[in-house]
Amino acid sequence: GAVVSQHPSWVICKSGTSVKIECRSLDFQATTMFWYRQFPKQSLMLMATSNEGSKATYEQGVEKDKFLINHASLTLSTLTVTSAHPEDSSFYICSARDFRSGVNQPQHFGDGTRLSIL
Amino acid sequence: LAKTTQPISMDSYEGQEVNITCSHNNIATNDYITWYQQFPSQGPRFIIQGYKTKVTNEVASLFIPADRKSSTLSLPRVSLSDTAVYYCLSPLYGGATNKLIFGTGTLLAVQP
Repeated sequence: GAVVSQHPSWVICKSGTSVKIECRSLDFQATTMFWYRQFPKQSLMLMATSNEGSKATYEQGVEKDKFLINHASLTLSTLTVTSAHPEDSSFYICSARDFRSGVNQPQHFGDGTRLSIL
Repeated sequence: LAKTTQPISMDSYEGQEVNITCSHNNIATNDYITWYQQFPSQGPRFIIQGYKTKVTNEVASLFIPADRKSSTLSLPRVSLSDTAVYYCLSPLYGGATNKLIFGTGTLLAVQP
């Protein structure tokens, strides 16, 4: 089945550091990937849509200069949290769908990245 | 995107059948209904998807009435390992922007 891999699975860093999270589709190509954030005991919140070869589309209230997204290939999207602060600590999850397999294929999610900013 | 509504929590016991109902009153013609399962500190896992009537796979069944304004996820003979949050979603297919907007989900607690 379709597999989405995220790296790293967890990261702890000091306030002010920039952190990059990778999302890879391992056995399919994805022209679009999605980034979510999830706080404890809450649901997933869509942050942005990552588009291969073009600019990402951010949801309302998400700072594009804070959360940089790059989708340079059909199998890789990266999310960079710039100058991270403790309030950015969260669980970040990506998803992707194999668009070549038909329009009604479901999205597949990575296992998430736990980000802790000290 | 159709807004979905489902119970916040449900309790069950091992071996029982669990039915989780989701309401999506303003579902559009092209919308499918998709269910995901999420364990703590993991990404959501696809369970089942359907458009109308009944769909069954190795882990669950999905019942969708003719008006498609609701759907029911049926988990046969649950076990302790089925304790998780279950999300009902209705993404709009077509084009590249098949965004999924998550609601609160249903926390299913299975007890021995």
